Amino acid sequence: QVQLQQSGAELVKPGSSVKISCKASGYTFTSYDMHWIKQQPGNGLEWIGWIYPGNGNTKYNQKFNGKATLTADKSSSTAYMQLSSLTSEDSAVYFCARRQPLDYWGQGVMVTVSS
Amino acid sequence: DIQMTQSPSFLSASVGERVTLSCKASQNINKYLDWYQQKLGEAPKLLIYNTNNLHTGIPSRFSGSGSGTDYTLTISSLQPEDVATYFCLQRNSWPRTFGSGTKLEIK
Repeated sequence: QVQLQQSGAELVKPGSSVKISCKASGYTFTSYDMHWIKQQPGNGLEWIGWIYPGNGNTKYNQKFNGKATLTADKSSSTAYMQLSSLTSEDSAVYFCARRQPLDYWGQGVMVTVSS
Repeated sequence: DIQMTQSPSFLSASVGERVTLSCKASQNINKYLDWYQQKLGEAPKLLIYNTNNLHTGIPSRFSGSGSGTDYTLTISSLQPEDVATYFCLQRNSWPRTFGSGTKLEIK
């Protein structure tokens, strides 16, 4: 069965970077795009961007240009998102989700930015 | 960016009641509209895609309709396990945008 297993919660300092992962199983990783979504407490959902692991192509929401960088490792069927120059506005739960429509989701990673 | 407006923000209904949730786009999204259910502490789950297609394993009491800018999610007979927040998502244009959600509770 399709599963997306995300890495654990992160507590990071303002100005730093963090890299979170999403390990896929149960399907051919290189055949489906992987999307990333942000959810702030009490707020709605924001689409960050996607990566096609087959060729590494990416597409970003302009709002996250320079903030998020998406990569994928075919050998381990793992997608990554690096968030840089972190501020309190980046504190949120981050989900990975497969393809469009977003049919399978990871469990989410809570990133807390605090000094 | 296309703005997605959901209404109501909060809905309380009785078990067995027919429930209708609304999602309005700021421009025509050509039926590229999906619905997600998010229970407390969980990831969202796909219910319906492309306006009216039920995702695998989703109970038939859920249905979707709409066109142009106006879309609806209907639960024909509300069950206790349907307590959740429901989000719509448009996939007609980049960036993809979500509605702010409707929180559904049992009366």
